Amino acid sequence: EDQVTQSPEALRLQEGESSSLNCSYTVSGLRGLFWYRQDPGKGPEFLFTLYSAGEEKEKERLKATLTKKESFLHITAPKPEDSATYLCAVQVAGTYKYIFGTGTRLKVLA
Amino acid sequence: SAVISQKPSRDICQRGTSLTIQCQVDSQVTMMFWYRQQPGQSLTLIATANQGSEATYESGFVIDKFPISRPNLTFSTLTVSNMSPEDSSIYLCSVGTLDGSDTQYFGPGTRLTVL
Repeated sequence: EDQVTQSPEALRLQEGESSSLNCSYTVSGLRGLFWYRQDPGKGPEFLFTLYSAGEEKEKERLKATLTKKESFLHITAPKPEDSATYLCAVQVAGTYKYIFGTGTRLKVLA
Repeated sequence: SAVISQKPSRDICQRGTSLTIQCQVDSQVTMMFWYRQQPGQSLTLIATANQGSEATYESGFVIDKFPISRPNLTFSTLTVSNMSPEDSSIYLCSVGTLDGSDTQYFGPGTRLTVL
């Protein structure tokens, strides 16, 4: 069964305290892995797409990496405005279907 | 990315009634999708809205409960029929293949509460 698991469920960081969020997946075939940010009361905002193991993408304080079994979202020197829920989704090969993880709720304290 | 809007943004409905949610995109798109996000849970795909043909539903979702229309390449509707409190959720539309990639872009969502 295709499955996506994110950890931790929740994370509290002090401003400037770097950390990583994990997304592990089991799918019959991976077409792509996607990271989104979701603020309360809003729709998910696209961050990154990763297609192959070893690929990395960066945007400001965020860097996403991909291996054959998992992806990491590294947050360097986070700020309070980085507080949000971060969602990971995988696209099953041969389909347009996304399978989402349950997300990591990040809180960055000033 | 495209600008995606949804109407209504939120609603409170009585049990047994139906609500139609609209999704409008500011450019033509090939793929449109409808998701449900129940309280404290992640997104679950309801169906793919196909232009000019019937929607493709995921396991656990049926057309009688969630009829979908896709009259053109910029607009889709999702109806939640004969609602019960268990239908209380956020409903999101997304669009894909804007830039030739498989990335989906999401609308702001419709927060539905059923009493």
